[in-house]
Amino acid sequence: DGGITQSPKYLFRKEGQNVTLSCEQNLNHDAMYWYRQDPGQGLRLIYYSQIVNDFQKGDIAEGYSVSREKKESFPLTVTSAQKNPTAFYLCASTTQGRGGTDTQYFGPGTRLTVL
Amino acid sequence: GDSVTQMEGPVTLSEEAFLTINCTYTATGYPSLFWYVQYPGEGLQLLLKATKADDKGSNKGFEATYRKETTSFHLEKGSVQVSDSAVYFCALKGFGTGGFKTIFGAGTRLFVKA
Repeated sequence: DGGITQSPKYLFRKEGQNVTLSCEQNLNHDAMYWYRQDPGQGLRLIYYSQIVNDFQKGDIAEGYSVSREKKESFPLTVTSAQKNPTAFYLCASTTQGRGGTDTQYFGPGTRLTVL
Repeated sequence: GDSVTQMEGPVTLSEEAFLTINCTYTATGYPSLFWYVQYPGEGLQLLLKATKADDKGSNKGFEATYRKETTSFHLEKGSVQVSDSAVYFCALKGFGTGGFKTIFGAGTRLFVKA
C-alpha cells in the first residue's frame, strides 16, 4: 500500500540536543511538507520542498532544518535553537507543488517532547 | 494574504443530530477548498473537496458547497454518529501565497454523545 511513514511515533529529547524526525513516502509525489501542530491549534508550515535538492522556508522555519536528497525522503531536524519544540509534527506530500487541486496526504505524525 | 476562519469548538452533539461547521475564507483568485478530518493521535486525512464555485464535495454523508458569493465552505451532515468525533479542518490552496501552500483553519473539535 502506498502512503507516508513517520518515525518514531513518540520522541523524547533533552534540552540542548538536536533530533531528526523521519518522513518517507512511496506515493511518487514531488512535493513534501512539514507542519507543526500545537494543542488546540491549526497546522503551521515549517518547510516545504517541491523537488529533490530544493526546499523553502515556511512560516515558522527558525530552529529547524531539512534536506531533500531523495524524492521519497524529507527528514526534519529540530535543533537546539528551537525555543519551544514540544509539539506534534506532521509530514505531508502532494502530487503537484504549485497550484493544482490535489489533496495533501499526511503521515501519522511524531509527538516530540522535550524533557 | 489567504486565510481561513472556522467556528471555534468544541461542538457537542447527540447521536443523529444535524451538524454544521462554518468556514469562511479570504483568497486571491479561485482557490480549491478542502475539509480534512483528524482522529485522535493520527494525521489528517481528506474528507472532501471542491475546486470551483458552486461545486459540492461529499463523502461519508458529509457535504460542503463552494460559495464564492459568500466566500464560504460550510461542512454539514444530516445525522452524526459517535464515530464522527474528531477534529475537522477547513483548508484552501490557491495562488495567493505562490500556489505552494495549503492554508488551514484552526480546527473544530466535534464530540458526539451516544
